[in-house]
Amino acid sequence: GAVVSQHPSWVICKSGTSVKIECRSLDFQATTMFWYRQFPKQSLMLMATSNEGSKATYEQGVEKDKFLINHASLTLSTLTVTSAHPEDSSFYICSARSPFSYNEQFFGPGTRLTVL
Amino acid sequence: AQTVTQSQPEMSVQEAETVTLSCTYDTSESDYYLFWYKQPPSRQMILVIRQEAYKQQNATENRFSVNFQKAAKSFSLKISDSQLGDAAMYFCAAGNRDDKIIFGKGTRLHILP
Repeated sequence: GAVVSQHPSWVICKSGTSVKIECRSLDFQATTMFWYRQFPKQSLMLMATSNEGSKATYEQGVEKDKFLINHASLTLSTLTVTSAHPEDSSFYICSARSPFSYNEQFFGPGTRLTVL
Repeated sequence: AQTVTQSQPEMSVQEAETVTLSCTYDTSESDYYLFWYKQPPSRQMILVIRQEAYKQQNATENRFSVNFQKAAKSFSLKISDSQLGDAAMYFCAAGNRDDKIIFGKGTRLHILP
């Protein structure tokens, strides 16, 4: 149980296009999901907190107009990278807050984005 | 704001030996949680161990145990009988109840056969 999936696992896009990444909780409902960014050999950097039915809360320095987050259902959150540029190339990881215990998160397998 | 510091970018240990990974944190909260996550080459984050700050007893999970020193704000991870499959990045993390988790920079652990 407690599985989080991400789709796609790897995506390549051209500069200037938009890319959508999906994060799904497969066997539980998640009112809160988190989006992280991880550069090579670095730690996870929290980008935003996504709450079902409301606007996402972005961390300082994260462009909300560039990284659009939608949490339309209790099992799905999406991250759309708009007008992507090569510097947006990174590994994006989502997680879902556990409904079973305090402050536990279940992580997705990540999505590798390459912008040409 | 919470901060998490891991001062060892890389460590190596001989297979079957014991290794300790260090972590210090800072928080103004009284109710918080501490974690160690493992990230193998697949990059899937795996929860290794979790400690609730209000519990004085150190958490253990099979070969993994922590030394939680609340006053010193220290939270080290001990891996006993190291195995080749333990090779990975290990992240120390802290979070408040129902809040976001902040990660340290990580320690890359090498297991020497």
